[in-house]
Amino acid sequence: ELKVEQNPLFLSMQEGKNYTIYCNYSTTSDRLYWYRQDPGKSLESLFVLLSNGAVKQEGRLMASLDTKARLSTLHITAAVHDLSATYFCAALLLIQGAQKLVFGQGTRLTINP
Amino acid sequence: GAVVSQHPSRVICKSGTSVKIECRSLDFQATTMFWYRQFPKQSLMLMATSNEGSKATYEQGVEKDKFLINHASLTLSTLTVTSAHPEDSSFYICSARRGNQGYQETQYFGPGTRLLVL
Repeated sequence: ELKVEQNPLFLSMQEGKNYTIYCNYSTTSDRLYWYRQDPGKSLESLFVLLSNGAVKQEGRLMASLDTKARLSTLHITAAVHDLSATYFCAALLLIQGAQKLVFGQGTRLTINP
Repeated sequence: GAVVSQHPSRVICKSGTSVKIECRSLDFQATTMFWYRQFPKQSLMLMATSNEGSKATYEQGVEKDKFLINHASLTLSTLTVTSAHPEDSSFYICSARRGNQGYQETQYFGPGTRLLVL
């Protein structure tokens, strides 16, 4: 079955701590996306990762991609309250001859003062 | 950056009525548009893919007669929920992709439309 799985689904952490969200996908993908969603809002694009070993950083967030392991990570450094949101990864997967964006379940991140 | 708009942002309707949601790419031409549905606290599920000037391709389990999609121009796609019922209440998000490099192009997401069917 073609799928994208995130771990953990819920994450509550203290400000200042580091943590990592994992995203596994079940088949070869050309690209991997990370999005942020605030309550009641649509998706905000964070990163797109295009190749094995790709690493991108923006502020306290860093995303990486290991295409051999079919794994992407989103690392949060010294978390602050403003990063509280739901984070989705999405992999572009070939499904029945068409490239489709398949989303993970989402990781609900709560950062406590 | 590319901007995608949706209208309306939220709609409340009575059961049995039809609702039309518009998705527009404001500063680029979108050969392909996607419609997603997101139930509370769940992920986004692709409903259908529409290409300008051709019939939409629906995902398994999505009723094409209930969710009518029209992609009449390179900047506009519409989703009509026909005979809406309470179980259709959801957050509907469209996405648009430029046409010149196929799937390698980034998808840009609209702000979403929250539908509540009473």
